[in-house]
Amino acid sequence: GAVVSQHPSWVICKSGTSVKIECRSLDFQATTMFWYRQFPKQSLMLMATSNEGSKATYEQGVEKDKFLINHASLTLSTLTVTSAHPEDSSFYICSATEVNIQYFGAGPRPSV
Amino acid sequence: QKEVEQNSGPLSVPEGAIASLNCTYSDRGSQSFFWYRQYSGKSPELIMFIYSNGDKEDGRFTAQLNKASQYVSLLIRDSQPSDSATYLCAATTGGFKTIFGAGTRLFVKA
Repeated sequence: GAVVSQHPSWVICKSGTSVKIECRSLDFQATTMFWYRQFPKQSLMLMATSNEGSKATYEQGVEKDKFLINHASLTLSTLTVTSAHPEDSSFYICSATEVNIQYFGAGPRPSV
Repeated sequence: QKEVEQNSGPLSVPEGAIASLNCTYSDRGSQSFFWYRQYSGKSPELIMFIYSNGDKEDGRFTAQLNKASQYVSLLIRDSQPSDSATYLCAATTGGFKTIFGAGTRLFVKA
């Protein structure tokens, strides 16, 4: 199957700083990527749909100014958690779609 | 609200037994169905996908789809302790939005 990579795989940051997470499709081009958040023992929560060359589509309740998404190329989307606080500590996972199948990257876990 | 429902479990089966995981979906327009396995602290990995009614087999895994009943299942034959994980069911709607279930936790006892 297709390969999706996330970097970094683990992040520790100070409260108030920003964290940038990269999601790359390694062997295919992805016009659409998805960003999910997952708390321990809970399901995936879709945060936003990242569209190459245009603005991301955010799910209801997700703060656009808090979670900045940029999809600058067909193989790279970035999520920036701005002014991170302890409650932002979570598992952030990206996915990209190839032939209508979502493939997930290994999600980093920001710890504030 | 389009939903995908799964029993959260945990489902516990002895090693070598068949594990049966079930999933229902509410959107009749759903066209594609997926099963992902997620180990603790890891991202989901695709196990199988199914588009047509009936059974689809891949090694020890069999996915079953019944669109009339809006029901998807995953059978794991000869369950191994390494199969212990959370299994996520997902359905893609006609608008190509993928909805995930909350997952079923499976424990395979050695």
